Amino acid sequence: EAQVTQNPRYLITVTGKKLTVTCSQNMNHEYMSWYRQDPGLGLRQIYYSMNVEVTDKGDVPEGYKVSRKEKRNFPLILESPSPNQTSLYFCASRFAVRGPQHFGDGTRLSIL
Amino acid sequence: KNEVEQSPQNLTAQEGEFITINCSYSVGISALHWLQQHPGGGIVSLFMLSSGKKKHGRLIATINIQEKHSSLHITASHPRDSAVYICAPFNTDKLIFGTGTRLQVFP
Repeated sequence: EAQVTQNPRYLITVTGKKLTVTCSQNMNHEYMSWYRQDPGLGLRQIYYSMNVEVTDKGDVPEGYKVSRKEKRNFPLILESPSPNQTSLYFCASRFAVRGPQHFGDGTRLSIL
Repeated sequence: KNEVEQSPQNLTAQEGEFITINCSYSVGISALHWLQQHPGGGIVSLFMLSSGKKKHGRLIATINIQEKHSSLHITASHPRDSAVYICAPFNTDKLIFGTGTRLQVFP
């Protein structure tokens, strides 16, 4: 089954403790993105990647890192999480620049 | 002013009613996505369109590129249609998301 898999689905942690949210897709898609969703603000892009070893900042990249060492994986790293990064995070992938987006189920992060 | 405006923000309907959700945008786009987000949080892509009209079951999406406007229609609405519907125009190389329309359909 074609899917985008994120882990963990839920995480409560404390300020400053490094964490990684994994994202994997099995559709051989080149384009992958990370978004955060906050009430009243909609989805905002954090980082995106157009291929292996090619990543770029989105609209809200501060406090986040990503890597794309393999085509299928696109982890999101929070080196020193802070409470303002408490949010619902989505990973997404698509085959072509303008193709349909496939979203993961979301990761709800709470930073205390 | 937001680049993408959806209306209404909230919508309540009785089962069987015809639903229309509107999306206006201010940027130049090459395509537009309609997404559905269920109460559990998962997001699925309903349509991607760049002109005219597309239909999938009871859902119809239209777009007018010149007027920078798109609509999503649901015919014969059902409680399982209750969700947040998000308009997302595609500008240059990224999606710009509206804040969504929350639809509740009651039996």
